[in-house]
Amino acid sequence: DIQMTQSPSSLSASVGDRVTITCRASQGISNYLAWYQQKPGKVPKLLIYAASTLQSGVPSRFSGSGSGTDFTLTISSLQPEDVATYYCQKYNSAPSTFGQGTKLEIK
Amino acid sequence: EVQLVESGGGLVQPGRSLRLSCAASGFTFDDYAMHWVRQAPGKGLEWVSGISWNSGSIGYADSVKGRFTISRDNAKNSLYLQMNSLRAEDTALYYCAKGVGGHFDDAFDIWGQGTMVTVSS
Repeated sequence: DIQMTQSPSSLSASVGDRVTITCRASQGISNYLAWYQQKPGKVPKLLIYAASTLQSGVPSRFSGSGSGTDFTLTISSLQPEDVATYYCQKYNSAPSTFGQGTKLEIK
Repeated sequence: EVQLVESGGGLVQPGRSLRLSCAASGFTFDDYAMHWVRQAPGKGLEWVSGISWNSGSIGYADSVKGRFTISRDNAKNSLYLQMNSLRAEDTALYYCAKGVGGHFDDAFDIWGQGTMVTVSS
């Protein structure tokens, strides 16, 4: 099975900072990669699918890139409401697999 | 309003069974793949199982294969997860999630609030 590895596991940044989270697949998955945001005590929310397509209603400060095995989620200007855990997910075939998560905090 | 509402969770002894249900509304249920995703307390997300729009494709995580069975009733706009031979490590919040499209190769755009399953003696 394909494994998904996120880095870092946690990070702390200041409001207005540019933040980047990476996700690596153990095998190529083309662009079958999604990013989710889960705020404390809340349900996961789809941010990006097909590696770089922004889900409707998601702020444009979020962006995704990559293909094959290496992917990134970027927040161009961190806002207080972005405090959350972020997960990548590969969905090209079963089993679908999530990364272990990146916990983002405000410094 | 697009909505997924899970039910059927609870406290169950190891080795026993439980059946989860997910009631869908606000969208054409039989156009979309559906999935179960779980999250153990304080842990990350784990995909459990998925089913295509017409039940033609079904998949399971290795951790539940042979013990859990996913099914759907498009006439009732409902998704199910039959969980047998439950183990302590199955303790988690179980989410029902809707695929963006009808097949497996899509992200999950709508999630329910989850139903908690606790396996303990």
